[in-house]
Amino acid sequence: AQSVTQLDSQVPVFEEAPVELRCNYSSSVSVYLFWYVQYPNQGLQLLLKYLSGSTLVESINGFEAEFNKSQTSFHLRKPSVHISDTAEYFCAAIPTSGYSTLTFGKGTMLLVSP
Amino acid sequence: DTGVSQNPRHKITKRGQNVTFRCDPISEHNRLYWYRQTLGQGPEFLTYFQNEAQLEKSRLLSDRFSAERPKGSFSTLEIQRTEQGDSAMYLCASSLGDSTSETQYFGPGTRLLVL
Repeated sequence: AQSVTQLDSQVPVFEEAPVELRCNYSSSVSVYLFWYVQYPNQGLQLLLKYLSGSTLVESINGFEAEFNKSQTSFHLRKPSVHISDTAEYFCAAIPTSGYSTLTFGKGTMLLVSP
Repeated sequence: DTGVSQNPRHKITKRGQNVTFRCDPISEHNRLYWYRQTLGQGPEFLTYFQNEAQLEKSRLLSDRFSAERPKGSFSTLEIQRTEQGDSAMYLCASSLGDSTSETQYFGPGTRLLVL
């Protein structure tokens, strides 16, 4: 079994400031890692995922996440946020093999103010 | 792709009533998942199908819950004798292929309120 911990329930930032949303996971087996974003009144959308290879993965809208195996972390970062980034962000993990499904963290609400 | 669709988007019911939700996955996606999300929590897995076969069920899925995917296309989730604790957002997702690396695409959800 695996678990995912998102350490911050809310992160308030000002527009154009950098942000980091923290995610730690625990698992007895290898996992793939995902970040999903949920905008108000919308479904979850995949932001980025780590499967293998380079530990730094990027999204098309400027977010990036780094897989750190030794610290069992997959923190999400953006150097300069926009108002439109206001949303809830969920970190998730899934074992790399076998029948299994995504385990989500509790989510972090990113609140971007002008 | 038209995306994953769910109906209804909202449902208000009285305790003890039965409710049924429908999910239409992305065409040709062979895996379909149901999750439940309550306020302040991330989605929690309920069950999933590969084609028409239900492969895994969570302990969260009590005997009052049943899910079907009769022809390997759309799926229904029925809750019998609803309780106030069933109030939540019910999410459906689908994915293509057999690997857990495949992205799960989520629908907008059905918000259930049990009075």
